[in-house]
Amino acid sequence: GAGVSQSPSNKVTEKGKDVELRCDPISGHTALYWYRQSLGQGLEFLIYFQGNSAPDKSGLPSDRFSAERTGGSVSTLTIQRTQQEDSAVYLCASSPGVRQPQHFGDGTRLSIL
Amino acid sequence: DQQVKQNSPSLSVQEGRISILNCDYTNSMFDYFLWYKKYPAEGPTFLISISSIKDKNEDGRFTVFLNKSAKHLSLHIVPSQPGDSAVYFCAASARDSNYQLIWGAGTKLIIKP
Repeated sequence: GAGVSQSPSNKVTEKGKDVELRCDPISGHTALYWYRQSLGQGLEFLIYFQGNSAPDKSGLPSDRFSAERTGGSVSTLTIQRTQQEDSAVYLCASSPGVRQPQHFGDGTRLSIL
Repeated sequence: DQQVKQNSPSLSVQEGRISILNCDYTNSMFDYFLWYKKYPAEGPTFLISISSIKDKNEDGRFTVFLNKSAKHLSLHIVPSQPGDSAVYFCAASARDSNYQLIWGAGTKLIIKP
């Protein structure tokens, strides 16, 4: 079966531009997570969606970051007015429910020039 | 402050021997722990988990040990194989935030032929 799919796999953009990253979770998984991984660091939690509940946005680093999940499936993470410190690998994961192992996509490598 | 610490950035082990990866944590509320493996340019892959009600969980060549009093867990891989060369992350979640994983910075395991 299909795993978690993320697009694009790589994105290079100029500072100040907006970017949109997409995540297709595993079908039937109700929980969806976004993480960010900077070089040599562990994963940093950004946002969590569970079913129809309000998302937990507590990990978003600034108001330039936002995410939505449409129809309980596909999610997009938007970064407005990108800065160089936003350069990282952005990972999406899904799980059947809470307290269950998360399955990850291969990430989007974002580079801000 | 780092709540989950992997103090060894890298570890080199001879093929066929035991690999032991260590992880320390500071938050006594953590009660669910996971190990993930990550190859370059891929997302993390779930390996094994353990709940705080146990002190050992085994799955094939992989065994995780949890020492709650020392706030320490370890992953044992026996015997080590070339395909085990990857970055290993430990992650933890707490009872009061049962979906948010806190990640260590990872240990790069190199299996020598």
